[in-house]
Amino acid sequence: EPEVTQTPSHQVTQMGQEVILRCVPISNHLYFYWYRQILGQKVEFLVSFYNNEISEKSEIFDDQFSVERPDGSNFTLKIRSTKLEDSAMYFCASSFLAGEDADTQYFGPGTRLTVL
Amino acid sequence: KNEVEQSPQNLTAQEGEFITINCSYSVGISALHWLQQHPGGGIVSLFMLSSGKKKHGRLIATINIQEKHSSLHITASHPRDSAVYICAFQGAQKLVFGQGTRLTINP
Repeated sequence: EPEVTQTPSHQVTQMGQEVILRCVPISNHLYFYWYRQILGQKVEFLVSFYNNEISEKSEIFDDQFSVERPDGSNFTLKIRSTKLEDSAMYFCASSFLAGEDADTQYFGPGTRLTVL
Repeated sequence: KNEVEQSPQNLTAQEGEFITINCSYSVGISALHWLQQHPGGGIVSLFMLSSGKKKHGRLIATINIQEKHSSLHITASHPRDSAVYICAFQGAQKLVFGQGTRLTINP
């Protein structure tokens, strides 16, 4: 069965460093998402991406964050200058449809980001 | 302000018991999702529903759109059902998550 994959599974970085989290969505999906979950808290939406542009973003997704689909398979989340509070599990997800006709979102296993 | 409220936050039961987890939301929605988060952190979609009831194995999800309420039921619960169960409503381009219900089934 197709699945969403994410790399790395765990990333440790120093405050102020740039990190890139990578995701390979399911191949025929059109909508891509990043969510994060701070330890002990609920899952929060960061950004959605469709047709090579951001379709919606949350207040969390400030200028320090960017997303890119550099080729036909990868979907990346970049944090330019990490802060301690960026430490969280980051989940990538994808779906074929969204909005009123939305269908199931499939989640990757997550990348645990630790900022020291 | 929480747009999605789940109850209970924690639930411990004995193997074989019938489990009910409740979800209330405050806005009009097109669909509601139930997801399972494993102890290792992975998230799996269980149901997406916009009306009525859906059943998959021992899991049943119901929704009442007028009441803005959904329930997830587990029949004949088993220790392997131990996980966090999360409801989330479908926004335009995103899911809005509840806090989750931590379920522990003891043998």
